[in-house]
Amino acid sequence: AQSVTQLDSQVPVFEEAPVELRCNYSSSVSVYLFWYVQYPNQGLQLLLKYLSGSTLVKGINGFEAEFNKSQTSFHLRKPSVHISDTAEYFCAVSDLFSGAGSYQLTFGKGTKLSVIP
Amino acid sequence: EAEVAQSPRYKITEKSQAVAFWCDPISGHATLYWYRQILGQGPELLVQFQDESVVDDSQLPKDRFSAERLKGVDSTLKIQPAELGDSAMYLCASSLASSDTQYFGPGTRLTVL
Repeated sequence: AQSVTQLDSQVPVFEEAPVELRCNYSSSVSVYLFWYVQYPNQGLQLLLKYLSGSTLVKGINGFEAEFNKSQTSFHLRKPSVHISDTAEYFCAVSDLFSGAGSYQLTFGKGTKLSVIP
Repeated sequence: EAEVAQSPRYKITEKSQAVAFWCDPISGHATLYWYRQILGQGPELLVQFQDESVVDDSQLPKDRFSAERLKGVDSTLKIQPAELGDSAMYLCASSLASSDTQYFGPGTRLTVL
């Protein structure tokens, strides 16, 4: 079974500074990787995904992530954050769930990003 | 842009009462998921449908929770009776197929008093 570890529960950062949100996963098979963002009292919005191909993935709102198979990591980065980036970010892994014969997502516990003016 | 719809957005109920949540997936999406998100945690899958059939409900507390998707389109999740520990955000998601990207609705915030 797969699992996802988000190493930081909270990350404060000053406006216009760079940020990296860390994510490590474990899985015995090839996986798909995702980052979602959740604003207060809202659902999850897809930021970016890695399915195959280039290990550097670009997403919405200026975010990007790099898949590192040897380190089983998928860290999320942004070179310059804005106040509006304040939200909770979830890393997720999807692989084939043999019990159901279909793909399922397993989420990390989330990282709260707080952008300080 | 098509979205997943959920209602109600907020629900407050007393323990031992029955509650129901509704989800309308993006048109044409065959796979529908219900997740529970406890405050401070990531979403956890409760049940997965492929069209009208349940694919996985291994994490659904079947003594009190039920889910249906009778015509393979919209879906209802019910809790009867509600308990204090059921307070959480209930999220619905849909995808074209199980291997495709999941798109989430805004969720229903349940508070059990």
